Amino acid sequence: QVQLVESGGGVVQPGRSLRLSCTASGFTFSNYGMHWVRQAPGKGLEWVAVIWYDGSNEFYADSVKGRFTISRDNSKNTQYLQMNSLRAEDTAVYYCARHAIAVADVPYYFDYWGQGILVTVSS
Amino acid sequence: DIQMTQSPSTLSASVGDRVTISCRASQNIRTWLAWYQQKPGKAPNVLIYQVSNLESGVPSRFSGSGSGTEFTLTISSLQPDDFATYYCQEYSSYSWTFGQGTKVEIK
Repeated sequence: QVQLVESGGGVVQPGRSLRLSCTASGFTFSNYGMHWVRQAPGKGLEWVAVIWYDGSNEFYADSVKGRFTISRDNSKNTQYLQMNSLRAEDTAVYYCARHAIAVADVPYYFDYWGQGILVTVSS
Repeated sequence: DIQMTQSPSTLSASVGDRVTISCRASQNIRTWLAWYQQKPGKAPNVLIYQVSNLESGVPSRFSGSGSGTEFTLTISSLQPDDFATYYCQEYSSYSWTFGQGTKVEIK
């Protein structure tokens, strides 16, 4: 069965960096685009970034553009989110999610989600 | 950027009620719309994609309709497991915008 497991969260001071990982199993990781979605405490869902199945392209929300970088290592079935210059407003649960169509570079919905990992930006 | 607006923000209903949640897009998204259910402390789960296609394993009491800018999620007979927050999401562009959510509460 499809599983997505996030790791790397924690408490970090404003201005510092953190890298999240999402390790996948149960499907051919290299065939699927992967997303990061976040949810601030008590708030709604906010899409953060996507990387295409082959790493050929990336897109970012305006709120993180220039500070966050998404990447993937298909040999390790893992995607990453490098978060730099963190701000208090980046505090959220971060979910990785799978693009619901394989071998595609077009927008589609998300069919599987990880359990989420909490990132707290605080001094 | 596309904005997605859901109404109502909160909905109080009883088991067996028919429930309708609306979602409006700020521009034409054709049929590129999904609905998700989220329970407290859990990840979202997709219910419906492309406006009206039920994801595998989702009960048939859930249905979706609409096109362009106006969309609806309907639960035909609310069950105890359905008390949750529901989000619409557009995927017509490279921004994947969610609505702000509709919380379905027990009346």
